Amino acid sequence: DAGITQSPRHKVTETGTPVTLRCHQTENHRYMYWYRQDPGHGLRLIHYSYGVKDTDKGEVSDGYSVSRSKTEDFLLTLESATSSQTSVYFCAISDWEAGGQDEQYFGPGTRLTVT
Amino acid sequence: QKEVEQNSGPLSVPEGAIASLNCTYSDRGSQSFFWYRQYSGKSPELIMSIYSNGDKEDGRFTAQLNKASQYVSLLIRDSQPSDSATYLCAVNDGVGSQGNLIFGKGTKLSVKP
Repeated sequence: DAGITQSPRHKVTETGTPVTLRCHQTENHRYMYWYRQDPGHGLRLIHYSYGVKDTDKGEVSDGYSVSRSKTEDFLLTLESATSSQTSVYFCAISDWEAGGQDEQYFGPGTRLTVT
Repeated sequence: QKEVEQNSGPLSVPEGAIASLNCTYSDRGSQSFFWYRQYSGKSPELIMSIYSNGDKEDGRFTAQLNKASQYVSLLIRDSQPSDSATYLCAVNDGVGSQGNLIFGKGTKLSVKP
């Protein structure tokens, strides 16, 4: 998994509770991404980061926030979890530069269940 | 809304045959094209990238790109049961995308012994 870890790997939480997922990389890549994957929807981008403290929204950002205080760590927070946020969450990294190659490499994923 | 379309499958082929997976995309500005393999319960794994028109071969895998037709395909020769997985097509989000990718929903491939 290209030097990417995610924690926790599995979590069950109750509706209304805050949840934070962590992505840690050892590749020193500038770009980091959070996706969710649901049956029938494929992979959808939640938020991404293009540097320390530089983040932007993706396609499905409502209900999620992110932070990146160090190059190696990208945190995804569900401020108040809802059942619709039950999903598998993947972190990805990229060493993209303008005009360069933009392959993304994925972490092992976190399976989140909101009851 | 930029889209990447794939047949959901399942695509079933006998062991040793050629599996052909197809993908179309809507954004003519896209410049980077990827195929990922995802086993059930696992994360996507990059298997091929292609950036220019034509064919790119890597072992048993060949990626084909036709930008004029907005079409990219993946051929798997001598298919093995271990190739059974879902294959995701991904396309970069055009000019100014900051490396963002748009993913298709995937084609499930089943290789029968």
